[in-house]
Amino acid sequence: RKEVEQDPGPFNVPEGATVAFNCTYSNSASQSFFWYRQDCRKEPKLLMSVYSSGNEDGRFTAQLNRASQYISLLIRDSKLSDSATYLCVVNGGSQGNLIFGKGTKLSVKP
Amino acid sequence: DTGVSQDPRHKITKRGQNVTFRCDPISEHNRLYWYRQTLGQGPEFLTYFQNEAQLEKSRLLSDRFSAERPKGSFSTLEIQRTEQGDSAMYLCASSLGDGGGGSTIYFGEGSWLTVV
Repeated sequence: RKEVEQDPGPFNVPEGATVAFNCTYSNSASQSFFWYRQDCRKEPKLLMSVYSSGNEDGRFTAQLNRASQYISLLIRDSKLSDSATYLCVVNGGSQGNLIFGKGTKLSVKP
Repeated sequence: DTGVSQDPRHKITKRGQNVTFRCDPISEHNRLYWYRQTLGQGPEFLTYFQNEAQLEKSRLLSDRFSAERPKGSFSTLEIQRTEQGDSAMYLCASSLGDGGGGSTIYFGEGSWLTVV
């Protein structure tokens, strides 16, 4: 089992749609969880951290289920500018590194 | 610009040559990471430093790869005897603390390597 697995993409959605990304992780000792966004040929940038209680930032909602080792990201009212690859990221338990999923590509169409 | 900077941004080299990338982290960040990313994949962890100490190395980091952070500030990643499979974007990142919880990892813009 891969350390971080994400939904295969791409997701092609119309503007205004709601889209959800899922992610599972294998290391039950992981303590920190993130969603990063990466535009084509650019570096990843932090979108949001994911907390156990779930958290929301505008149109974006992230949730964590530790028992199932599952993380989700919900984007409401999609904008053209949301088109990017979304990377699920988990810290390596007792290790200091972050483990990235392969990413899910989102394309929002007019 | 006080972000993470990487140099060079692009490098084309012939197979068998050595290449070196430099990373200047955000000042006062004690942790520095190197990742590699190929097309269609997420960033793959290579190694990280806490100050000048290299605390972890991935199995991906073969003996042709070496990274240093001699004074706990900038870091270099050297690839010896490059192979075509080394073609990728090499990303450097830094953080204050362990990158978890409230501390964020910031990436540089990456160094693109093409081995011909």
